[in-house]
Amino acid sequence: EVVLTQSPGTLSLSPGERATLSCRASQSVSSSNLGWYQQKPGQAPRLLIYGASNRATGIPDRFSGSGSGTDFTLTISRLEPEDFAVYYCQQYGGSPLYTFGQGTKLEIK
Amino acid sequence: EVQLLESGGGLVQPGGSLRLSCAASGFTFSSYVMIWVRQAPGKGLEYISSVSGSAAAASYADSVKGRFTISRDNSKNTLYLQMNSLRAEDTAVYYCTKRPGGSGNFDSWGQGTLVTVSS
Repeated sequence: EVVLTQSPGTLSLSPGERATLSCRASQSVSSSNLGWYQQKPGQAPRLLIYGASNRATGIPDRFSGSGSGTDFTLTISRLEPEDFAVYYCQQYGGSPLYTFGQGTKLEIK
Repeated sequence: EVQLLESGGGLVQPGGSLRLSCAASGFTFSSYVMIWVRQAPGKGLEYISSVSGSAAAASYADSVKGRFTISRDNSKNTLYLQMNSLRAEDTAVYYCTKRPGGSGNFDSWGQGTLVTVSS
């Protein structure tokens, strides 16, 4: 089983600052199968990044993804008030077929 | 516009059964792998089950294997999850989502349906 470990668990930043979220896999993951999601309270998750570095439709360019192998990063270049939420990474492959990280809560400082 | 609309959630006693449905529209349903993901109150996301576009292949998380059955009716553009032998730890919001071919990630999600297992 591929285990995804996200860090930090909670990130406290101010609007306008840069956010860097990490997702580390227990074994190598294909970059084409690594994605990032944003979830706000009471809402369904929303795909931000697919294939490690591709922005999903309608996602602002302040969101970017990078990484390969076992280390992946989601970067938000300048935080907007609406960006404070929980972020999950997710991978496809192995058993079970899909796994999620435990999430990083991005909160306003 | 892609829409995924879950229904069928509710309160059920431990050991009981429930069937969830997900009505899809706005895309060619039979061309997509469909997936159920759940989220227990205050917890993270957990993959539950997935089914191929033709329904020929299904997969389950160990936590639900042997108790839950995923199915789909491509003529009705609807995904199902039959849940038997429900336990308190199955209490969660259940989301349906879809995965485009060639990608390992989920590009659209329903709003979710809440399942509560309690006596």
